[in-house]
Amino acid sequence: AQKITQTQPGMFVQEKEAVTLDCTYDTSDQSYGLFWYKQPSSGEMIFLIYQGSYDEQNATEGRYSLNFQKARKSANLVISASQLGDSAMYFCAMRVMKAAGNKLTFGGGTRVLVKP
Amino acid sequence: DSGVTQTPKHLITATGQRVTLRCSPRSGDLSVYWYQQSLDQGLQFLIQYYNGEERAKGNILERFSAQQFPDLHSELNLSSLELGDSALYFCASSSQRRTRDTQYFGPGTRLTVL
Repeated sequence: AQKITQTQPGMFVQEKEAVTLDCTYDTSDQSYGLFWYKQPSSGEMIFLIYQGSYDEQNATEGRYSLNFQKARKSANLVISASQLGDSAMYFCAMRVMKAAGNKLTFGGGTRVLVKP
Repeated sequence: DSGVTQTPKHLITATGQRVTLRCSPRSGDLSVYWYQQSLDQGLQFLIQYYNGEERAKGNILERFSAQQFPDLHSELNLSSLELGDSALYFCASSSQRRTRDTQYFGPGTRLTVL
């Protein structure tokens, strides 16, 4: 079974600074994908970034980058130059490629509050 | 806007009742997923349909059922509702390509059971 752990329930970050959100995962499968989603207070789930287990480079999408350390089974999200609009819950999720179906397994989330 | 639509946005009902949540996937997506988000259980996968067929089942109660119609929209039926069924229910869709298969989420339906 797959498991995602986000150890930081909440954190503050100063506007314009960078913040790193931790995510560790557990799977015995070699082929998997890791996702980060943002959930603002309005409730919707917004896809941010994806990293495949065989990707050699760390994923980047604008101000979001993923620090992927496969041997340590970690996929930390880095948000650079934080903005007030980054205040939200952030979820790490994993999908195992060979599993029947394509379900996502989510971590418990990290709440980020950006201070002006 | 993810392109996934869900109705209704809010639903308030009483214990023992039955409700239907509706989802329309993004244009071109064949897969639809249902997730439940509650305070105590977090985000849990319920069920996946692909082109009308059930593909995978997660922690879905027997009181819950779903289907995907020929036009690819999906409905999640919740019956004999209990207080603990109060949650945010998300529908997501994806194209089911082989490698990267990002699921895009709808805005959710917030169900309150009184």
